[in-house]
Amino acid sequence: QSALTQPPSASGSPGQSVTISCTGTSSDVGGYNYVSWYQQHPGKAPKLMIFQVSKRPSGVPDRFSGSKSGNTASLTVSGLQAEDEADYYCSSFAGSRNWVFGGGTKLTVL
Amino acid sequence: EVQLVESGGGLVQPGGSLRLSCAASGFTFSRSWMSWVRQAPGKGLEWVANIKQDGSASSYVDSVKGRFTISRDNAKNSLFLQMNSLRAEDTAVYYCAGEAGTYHGFDYWGQGILVTVSS
Repeated sequence: QSALTQPPSASGSPGQSVTISCTGTSSDVGGYNYVSWYQQHPGKAPKLMIFQVSKRPSGVPDRFSGSKSGNTASLTVSGLQAEDEADYYCSSFAGSRNWVFGGGTKLTVL
Repeated sequence: EVQLVESGGGLVQPGGSLRLSCAASGFTFSRSWMSWVRQAPGKGLEWVANIKQDGSASSYVDSVKGRFTISRDNAKNSLFLQMNSLRAEDTAVYYCAGEAGTYHGFDYWGQGILVTVSS
């Protein structure tokens, strides 16, 4: 049950695109198409942005997209906006109905 | 509107116990896997435990096995976390979270409740 690996920080200017990676193992990210991504603003509860690698819940802008290759999943935010500045966490199913999160990435909009 | 409202947090001494509750509304609670997720001050998210729709199965992160017990009451749309033998490292905001579909991840979140373990 080791945490998934995310870069501690990422940044981009308004209108640009930024990609955040999430690296696990064949026992979690690589073994299942059950990766999800969460956005968390300071002092707030997390919000689901992507589920099952690339699906967006209703209401999430299509500027947010997800993908996976091998043991690494990625979240791409296109057309960066000021309100996208937040912490982002990935999560993966890890078998036996267990879940594991990444350490989080602080996204700064310059 | 989906609502998850946690209660029961507070300050407890090391070795003590606490029981968290989560009241759910706005979705079909009895059809959802439910979890507790925690976040230590200034740290990332950590999945703690989950429970199947009918309460017949549950899973835990290794660090709480044998100390925490998750349960639910579908008649009252409520989720619980009994926490025993608490340690300083259990200090965190605890979130109640629910899955809208199979292996969706956590679609629904409460506002969180702070648990502080300190003498």
